[in-house]
This record gives sequence, structure tokens and C-alpha cells, in this order.
Amino acid sequence: QILLQQSGPGLLKPSQTLSVTCAISGDSVSSNIAAWNWIRQSPSRGLEWLGRTFYRSKWRYDYAISVQSRISINADTSQNQFSLQLNSVTSEDTAIYYCARDVSATLFEWGQGALVIVSS
Amino acid sequence: EVVLTQSPGTLSLSPGERATLSCRASQSISGSYLAWYQQKVGQAPRLLIYGTSTRATGIPDRFSGSGSGTDFTLTISRLEPEDFAVYYCQNHIYPLTTFGQGTRLEI
Repeated sequence: QILLQQSGPGLLKPSQTLSVTCAISGDSVSSNIAAWNWIRQSPSRGLEWLGRTFYRSKWRYDYAISVQSRISINADTSQNQFSLQLNSVTSEDTAIYYCARDVSATLFEWGQGALVIVSS
Repeated sequence: EVVLTQSPGTLSLSPGERATLSCRASQSISGSYLAWYQQKVGQAPRLLIYGTSTRATGIPDRFSGSGSGTDFTLTISRLEPEDFAVYYCQNHIYPLTTFGQGTRLEI
């Protein structure tokens, strides 16, 4: 059974950096068939895919156009986890953030979600 | 970027009835990368259908998916009380993944 367990701060101030981590059990972040995604959900934007990382001989990264200048996704093989960093947050970044595992672009497993509020 | 438009926005039905949910793509897409998810209040989305018509593990056979090109459908043959939720379609055209805006299925 593959489980994804998220952790991260709940409250940020504008201009700060959002950082959320997703711990993986039952699979390896270095899997050569899976990819590791971040998705967020807000009432105004619905479900919004942010990006993913995956290992195919080397680490690869795909990012959504809307956040590509501010986002970084990294894998930590020693802890078998991956993380999301989003710089210069504004109130528009207030959302529930989910991590998810995909195989062939289908999101089979999801983390429990982490609510992040950006407010001064 | 492909835009997925789901209809209707809200569908009001009763247990035992048949539900038909639509997902229309702004351009022709590969059915291999069309999936449906169910989301209940306070929970993460759950995979129902992938590759247009393949049910995920543990999904009852009252859920079925079909379609091709730009038009895809999720059908729930006989609604059970636990099926009332929000449903999203999702597509991937490398390197981007997109979601529809969702259909709320309510009693």
C-alpha cells in the first residue's frame, strides 16, 4: 500500500516562501515508473496542478506555467520524500496543497492535503 | 494548454437514478490520459477511472467511463447515497496536467 503523508506550515505572511513536504511509504521517490506531483485547490481556482518531479536516469521537473517562475520541487532520497517550495506568496496562494503519485500521468494516490493560508 | 469543461455544474438526482457527467476538451486528446476523480467534503480526490474507461482498484462497476476525441462521459448506473460528491476529469498532455472545474452531484 502506498501512502503519502504531508507536513507543512499552515499560516504564512505575504512575500514569504511556502514549503510543504510529502513523505512516501510503500514506494521509492527514485522509482523509474512513478512521478511525484503537487496540486492545490481553492474555491477560486479549483484543482490546479503545480508541477512534478520524477527520476528517469536523472531527475526531471515539469512545472505549470502559472507558477514556473516561483516554484521548486525537490526529491530527498535519504528521507524518501519530496517537497514543494513556492516563493513570494500572496493571498492568491491560499489553498489546500496536495501531493500525489502518478503513473503514466494518472494520479493514483494522494496525500491528505495541507491547508495553507497567506495573510498579513 | 487544454481546457476541460465539465457539465452540468450541478446535477440533482436521487438514489437509484442514473447519472451522466460530461467532460469536453478544447482540443482532441488521447483517451489514454483522461481520468475521473471523486471528491467528498474534507477529503482528497480519489481516482475512479483512468484511460477513459478503466476502473481503479476497488471502484464498483456501477461507475463507467467512455468517450474519445473531445467528448468524454462518466456514468453512474444506479446512484448510491455515498456517490453524492464532486467529480473532476483530468488530462495530461506532456508536460502539463489539467483538471476540469468539477460537477457537483447532489441529492
